[in-house]
Amino acid sequence: EADIYQTPRYLVIGTGKKITLECSQTMGHDKMYWYQQDPGMELHLIHYSYGVNSTEKGDLSSESTVSRIRTEHFPLTLESARPSHTSQYLCASSEYSGDARGYTFGSGTRLTVV
Amino acid sequence: QQQVKQSPQSLIVQKGGISIINCAYENTAFDYFPWYQQFPGKGPALLIAIRPDVSEKKEGRFTISFNKSAKQFSLHIMDSQPGDSATYFCAASKDTGFQKLVFGTGTRLLVSP
Repeated sequence: EADIYQTPRYLVIGTGKKITLECSQTMGHDKMYWYQQDPGMELHLIHYSYGVNSTEKGDLSSESTVSRIRTEHFPLTLESARPSHTSQYLCASSEYSGDARGYTFGSGTRLTVV
Repeated sequence: QQQVKQSPQSLIVQKGGISIINCAYENTAFDYFPWYQQFPGKGPALLIAIRPDVSEKKEGRFTISFNKSAKQFSLHIMDSQPGDSATYFCAASKDTGFQKLVFGTGTRLLVSP
């Protein structure tokens, strides 16, 4: 079944630790995205990718970095986690196809930095 | 600058009532308007979408109404059920090149039993 997977679902980590949030999709979509969702619901785009070896910063400045070495994989890394990074991180993918321009989202990773 | 403005921020509707969420956009080049539904602990999921060549699209109890001249579109949930309680996001994008979706700020809907 085509889907998009995020791991871990929940992560509690100490300040200063390096973390990588995983995102994989099985749909062959070229475009992938990372959103940060605050408790107030709003979705903030922090990174996106047009395809392999393409990464762009989103609308919200973020200390995280991303890579896109394979079509299906779009991991997000924080080199040194801080309490201000506590949030929900959502990964999504899409493929332009006429009316089917919708995004498919993963279930998210809820990160808590203590 | 919020390109897609969504209201209300929260909404309480009685079971069986009609839930209405409104969005307004600035960019007349937008030509794809989806709505997403998000349950707690899950990512948003595409609910229904409309193109500006039609004024209304209906799927089951969910209807999008689109007013091109007013640059507004709305989601109507008929016969609202407690299971519809979720956060709803409107969005918009352009049909040229790689155009990212622009999301509204979200509406928390609570349908009381």
